[in-house]
Amino acid sequence: SQQGEEDPQALSIQEGENATMNCSYKTSINNLQWYRQNSGRGLVHLILIRSNEREKHSGRLRVTLDTSKKSSSLLITASRAADTASYFCATDNFGNEKLTFGTGTRLTIIP
Amino acid sequence: DGGITQSPKYLFRKEGQNVTLSCEQNLNHDAMYWYRQDPGQGLRLIYYSQIVNDFQKGDIAEGYSVSREKKESFPLTVTSAQKNPTAFYLCASSIVQGTSYEQYFGPGTRLTVT
Repeated sequence: SQQGEEDPQALSIQEGENATMNCSYKTSINNLQWYRQNSGRGLVHLILIRSNEREKHSGRLRVTLDTSKKSSSLLITASRAADTASYFCATDNFGNEKLTFGTGTRLTIIP
Repeated sequence: DGGITQSPKYLFRKEGQNVTLSCEQNLNHDAMYWYRQDPGQGLRLIYYSQIVNDFQKGDIAEGYSVSREKKESFPLTVTSAQKNPTAFYLCASSIVQGTSYEQYFGPGTRLTVT
């Protein structure tokens, strides 16, 4: 079952602009992670935020988590052509190693 | 060079044939996973294994089988009972660090059944 849903499904922006994508989930979580997938490739882990954290930064990435709204956002600042990819959120529950992935946002950076 | 390898990258089979997808990791991870991805969709969990000689069904296990005889290997067999086997298959592994479950993915195998 798909726990998370990303919004929007697709996003196109000009290079240099910021990109924001959102993830909503249904049940209580332990951690929320964001992954990137280049076309036809495996997923690459970007960042993990714990349920007791509200914001986390990693380079040009900023992730927020609002457990009261069961939602998270991923902000990519100063986008580059190489950021073109699909982005997925994934959640896990306490004591369970399984991840449940969302449906993904397809991001296109226009040079 | 540490990581997860999947072979082959592309696989073609005739309907009615079983096919086995390979997944090997040298990360010394305890847990391994198989996912299926259909075009424009997220990942759906097929099977996972937390320890050698043990595995559990995921959300869409019907028509698939796995084995975990060695820590580094977790092959997936797509049987003829799988009604719609054409898809992109991804293998992943993870090590539990405290309560974090970051997964490392292989490059995937694209299976086409005609």
